[in-house]
Amino acid sequence: RKEVEQDPGPFNVPEGATVAFNCTYSNSASQSFFWYRQDCRKEPKLLMSVYSSGNEDGRFTAQLNRASQYISLLIRDSKLSDSATYLCVVNEDSNYQLIWGAGTKLIIKP
Amino acid sequence: EAQVTQNPRYLITVTGKKLTVTCSQNMNHEYMSWYRQDPGLGLRQIYYSMNVEVTDKGDVPEGYKVSRKEKRNFPLILESPSPNQTSLYFCASSFSGANEQFFGPGTRLTVL
Repeated sequence: RKEVEQDPGPFNVPEGATVAFNCTYSNSASQSFFWYRQDCRKEPKLLMSVYSSGNEDGRFTAQLNRASQYISLLIRDSKLSDSATYLCVVNEDSNYQLIWGAGTKLIIKP
Repeated sequence: EAQVTQNPRYLITVTGKKLTVTCSQNMNHEYMSWYRQDPGLGLRQIYYSMNVEVTDKGDVPEGYKVSRKEKRNFPLILESPSPNQTSLYFCASSFSGANEQFFGPGTRLTVL
């Protein structure tokens, strides 16, 4: 069975710190990778796509490691508003089925 | 405003009483899908549709039906709901499975 695994956390991190978490995937044929953010009881929203060359957007950096089959998300200078659950999702272009991780909960403390 | 709408947002029903959750998008997206989200399990795809009249099973299709007669609508049908279908349901749409998914606000379903 295709799987995407994440550490559920919670990660309790002081404001201003840097935090990173990974997501591993089992299917080596996976082609597209994304990080979504979900606030409590709300719908997920795209945070960033993950490209082979990596992707950076402000304080957020996403990396893909195909050899070890994981993607990572790094948040620098964390803010209280970064508190959320971060979901990774993997897609095989061949069948368009999306496989979602269960999410990593991040809590930023003042 | 570009959006995905779901109705109802909250529903409490009883075992065996057929129900439909509607989903509509106004972004001319070809790809639509339904998910359920349960604590500790994350989002699990129920069904997805790559275009009108094309639907495919996701990870957890048992007990659910869908139809895609029009591009904008993708209703989720529970013919005979059971308590294990109590969950938070999300509809999503995108240009394709490889693109950003836009989610509806969610439908919280309780089956007694």
